[in-house]
Amino acid sequence: NAGVTQTPKFQVLKTGQSMTLQCAQDMNHNSMYWYRQDPGMGLRLIYYSASEGTTDKGEVPNGYNVSRLNKREFSLRLESAAPSQTSVYFCASRGTGFTDTQYFGPGTRLTVL
Amino acid sequence: AQKITQTQPGMFVQEKEAVTLDCTYDTSDPSYGLFWYKQPSSGEMIFLIYQGSYDQQNATEGRYSLNFQKARKSANLVISASQLGDSAMYFCAMRELLIQGAQKLVFGQGTRLTINP
Repeated sequence: NAGVTQTPKFQVLKTGQSMTLQCAQDMNHNSMYWYRQDPGMGLRLIYYSASEGTTDKGEVPNGYNVSRLNKREFSLRLESAAPSQTSVYFCASRGTGFTDTQYFGPGTRLTVL
Repeated sequence: AQKITQTQPGMFVQEKEAVTLDCTYDTSDPSYGLFWYKQPSSGEMIFLIYQGSYDQQNATEGRYSLNFQKARKSANLVISASQLGDSAMYFCAMRELLIQGAQKLVFGQGTRLTINP
């Protein structure tokens, strides 16, 4: 049981390049989430997927797109990377119980030059 | 909207001492949940403890306990008998309901805890 996995762990992009961050969970969770963490701050929600086939914007969605490929996988795409998107990106998933917590992946450290 | 405030940017504690990390919150929801996560230098987010607003007792998980004072809107994390491995960033977070049963976490800015030998 690997929990939540993310690839890659590290990435360096040039301004304007695109890339996709991959996330998968093996806990049969319905909802999945993408957060970003900037230096000295807590995490902020980018996008989420309440269930397979649905996605919705969080607090900071500009410059990102997401795909919920199936129940296990939820990807985050940067179409044209900007230096302001330099951050650590975390994927999380959560079960359906009201008090269930979110479990996080190990994170992807992204630098945009 | 929910708001979490952690007023201690950094704390230094001697090994084996107890430490309290402060967290205050603001919400208009009568039903809410509070979480604490640990983020070591390796970067992962590790869930520590959860407290629901209707829970009768303060939550405990091993050396972690939550000092929940509803009237003061505080949910402080207490770590007993601190260890060197407790050195990390600690985040308090509150649940915010989204559509279709999804929930997001609203995080505070965190407290960096350093345990000295």
